Amino acid sequence: KNEVEQSPQNLTAQEGEFITINCSYSVGISALHWLQQHPGGGIVSLFMLSSGKKKHGRLIATINIQEKHSSLHITASHPRDSAVYICAVTLFSSGSARQLTFGSGTQLTVLP
Amino acid sequence: EPEVTQTPSHQVTQMGQEVILRCVPISNHLYFYWYRQILGQKVEFLVSFYNNEISEKSEIFDDRFSVERPDGSNFTLKIRSTKLEDSAMYFCASSDYRDRNYGYTFGSGTRLTVV
Repeated sequence: KNEVEQSPQNLTAQEGEFITINCSYSVGISALHWLQQHPGGGIVSLFMLSSGKKKHGRLIATINIQEKHSSLHITASHPRDSAVYICAVTLFSSGSARQLTFGSGTQLTVLP
Repeated sequence: EPEVTQTPSHQVTQMGQEVILRCVPISNHLYFYWYRQILGQKVEFLVSFYNNEISEKSEIFDDRFSVERPDGSNFTLKIRSTKLEDSAMYFCASSDYRDRNYGYTFGSGTRLTVV
């Protein structure tokens, strides 16, 4: 059973396009994280959300707790945005350690 | 900006040998974690560490795995009797939930190859 589902699995866009990546989860969570994984493998935290919306530069993350759904938007996309974007959640059942449960990631390629 | 540092970046070991993966978490963070990612698969939780002891562990973290924080700065993952299926990227992370923006900081990973 996949507790965290992402779509699409792969996304190719032209430079300048507005991009949306979706994440759905099936169980109660205390927080949702959007992460970026570069081709070399390193993982960078982009956002941690428990409600509402956050913005950082060209990135916007939203979460709808009732619908168990989050979106990551990239405005004015650029080839340097090409990476794997991963949704991860902290389940209520994870206890005080708050370990993350990961989605499978979305491979984004932005073409010049 | 504070970083989580992992060494080595790559490690090749013979099946059956022991390996130690090293991490220096962010010093004022409270929780420390190891995750792994087998090539082409999603990232999986291994273990969390709080107040100098294991807080949670997954089914992957069997008797061959152990963690230590020997000197208050380093955080190590030891794998004994390595198997081919231990080949993966191993990520160390630390978290501070007082940080409302990110919560987590990951290291750059150690790619372990068991041959």
